[in-house]
Amino acid sequence: GQNIDQPTEMTATEGAIVQINCTYQTSGFNGLFWYQQHAGEAPTFLSYNVLDGLEEKGRFSSFLSRSKGYSYLLLKELQMKDSASYLCAVREAGGSYIPTFGRGTSLIVHP
Amino acid sequence: EAQVTQNPRYLITVTGKKLTVTCSQNMNHEYMSWYRQDPGLGLRQIYYSMNVEVTDKGDVPEGYKVSRKEKRNFPLILESPSPNQTSLYFCASSPPGGWRGLTDTQYFGPGTRLTVL
Repeated sequence: GQNIDQPTEMTATEGAIVQINCTYQTSGFNGLFWYQQHAGEAPTFLSYNVLDGLEEKGRFSSFLSRSKGYSYLLLKELQMKDSASYLCAVREAGGSYIPTFGRGTSLIVHP
Repeated sequence: EAQVTQNPRYLITVTGKKLTVTCSQNMNHEYMSWYRQDPGLGLRQIYYSMNVEVTDKGDVPEGYKVSRKEKRNFPLILESPSPNQTSLYFCASSPPGGWRGLTDTQYFGPGTRLTVL
């Protein structure tokens, strides 16, 4: 099984940078996903990490350290539309290969 | 357009009245899954399917059934709904690339908001 932890809620100011952390415990790691979900809508894919290091995609970056069971999602130049929940999901090897989700971090961006 | 569709999008029903939520994908994906999402609990997997006629329980399967007779469809069946099944339900599909270490992200349907009175 897996244990995935992320903060429940974070607030930040428009134009700033915010880092959302995710820690996990798994018996066989096979990839970590970050999704964005606006209220009442479906999650949409943001990033994927399977090797250690930083993956950059425009304003969003995601970092992974497998030895520490740790990832973060970095959002730069925050915009009001970035107010959403951010879901960390971990895929475990040897199972269904369908990721297990953390409870999500609700990000509120203030003007 | 590649997509996952769910029907109905909204449903209000009463305790004990059997219902089915349909899910269909047009991407020829092998993997499909159902989640429920409740405040403070995140997305929890109900059932998943790795291919036609292959289904397995997720984390919260009690009170639900599924079937996978065709690759594109994965309906969720509530034989006797109860109020604790009031939730937002998502269907998702993905290709089976996990063992190859590929991204193979899941594609989610728009969600079905179910209320059981």
